[in-house]
Amino acid sequence: GENVGLHLPTLSVQEGDNSIINCAYSNSASDYFIWYKQESGKGPQFIIDIRSNMDKRQGQRVTVLLNKTVKHLSLQIAATQPGDSAVYFCAETDNNAGNMLTFGGGTRLMVKP
Amino acid sequence: ETGVTQSPTHLIKTRGQQVTLRCSSQSGHNTVSWYQQALGQGPQFIFQYYREEENGRGNFPPRFSGLQFPNYSSELNVNALELDDSALYLCASSVGLAGLTDTQYFGPGTRLTVL
Repeated sequence: GENVGLHLPTLSVQEGDNSIINCAYSNSASDYFIWYKQESGKGPQFIIDIRSNMDKRQGQRVTVLLNKTVKHLSLQIAATQPGDSAVYFCAETDNNAGNMLTFGGGTRLMVKP
Repeated sequence: ETGVTQSPTHLIKTRGQQVTLRCSSQSGHNTVSWYQQALGQGPQFIFQYYREEENGRGNFPPRFSGLQFPNYSSELNVNALELDDSALYLCASSVGLAGLTDTQYFGPGTRLTVL
């Protein structure tokens, strides 16, 4: 995964607004993508996933978009709430990697009340 | 909560010592993966166990080793600890579908500090 040291990119949004978190990946063979949410002192929590034969998938208040042409993944959170404040990681894998996840560097989402 | 448990929660060791971390996978899952997460970074893959056999390894030296037991629980062992081994160690379990990538669910992690 990317090494961004101690200074994670931060996205600050107002409560109730929509949030968009972006992720770029480099492996064109990646066929499975996952977004995880990690709160302080906890392990990553599964949010939503998407396979490479899709370009959009929706969950409860979350949508993942996949653009394989430019190797870009995004997570959209609707009506962002204070409980959404956390670090968000994208992760990718492919069949050749034996289910090994490669994580991006993470984005910190801060929700202002 | 995912049903993946890890122990201990926190651990402090000194350089040169050895440590064993434990993980119990979610019910019905036969695959366990271990990751190291340094402060402010994304998790890095250490290795994976599928039905008690190592099934892939990341860029970690041989002093990182593991085991998986018949009940699919797992151990991560680290010998000759170094200061840079200080990190959050995460265990993730998955169903383990042959030939298909599937979702990994993470435990809360073990925070290891090496002094």
